[in-house]
Amino acid sequence: DAKTTQPNSMESNEEEPVHLPCNHSTISGTDYIHWYRQLPSQGPEYVIHGLTSNVNNRMASLAIAEDRKSSTLILHRATLRDAAVYYCILRDRMEYGNKLVFGAGTILRVKS
Amino acid sequence: DGGITQSPKYLFRKEGQNVTLSCEQNLNHDAMYWYRQDPGQGLRLIYYSQIVNDFQKGDIAEGYSVSREKKESFPLTVTSAQKNPTAFYLCASSKGQGQSRNTGELFFGEGSRLTVL
Repeated sequence: DAKTTQPNSMESNEEEPVHLPCNHSTISGTDYIHWYRQLPSQGPEYVIHGLTSNVNNRMASLAIAEDRKSSTLILHRATLRDAAVYYCILRDRMEYGNKLVFGAGTILRVKS
Repeated sequence: DGGITQSPKYLFRKEGQNVTLSCEQNLNHDAMYWYRQDPGQGLRLIYYSQIVNDFQKGDIAEGYSVSREKKESFPLTVTSAQKNPTAFYLCASSKGQGQSRNTGELFFGEGSRLTVL
């Protein structure tokens, strides 16, 4: 299975943008890039996913490098409620939940 | 509202006892999953089911058992054979391979925290 690498932790100031990086140098052509986040003592929640093009939704933006070997989750204005663990995951389009690998993720701390 | 409900939220168990964690979903999802999470770590897959009356072992199935008699329900039993059961347990569901508009998105419950005394 293709792996992802994320920093252990990051810190941001409230109301400022946050860029969470993810490296996936062994990504295959059929791998989607998914992001989830997990608030303290809760289950993870889906944030966004993409294949090749940049994606935007109400929660965040996903910027995908041209060679697809890295991606960045962008929170445009961090709030205290965005403090969570963020997981970057690859999913082959032919596979489903049983193949998703949730690593340790990036702990995002937001300062007021 | 549609979603996944796990119960109980907190559970204490004495050593040697079996406990069953409940997971119910009303999202009409074919697939359901159980994960275990230890402090500061990612999620590890215990069991998954892609359709009613079928389930498969995940990466850490030893000491656990499941059933999938109904589409909506996927209970997990933590048996006395599980040597270190204290953990945070997460249930999830997703559309199955045969369901339309399947983006592969997982929907998680709020988790059950099991502590062995």
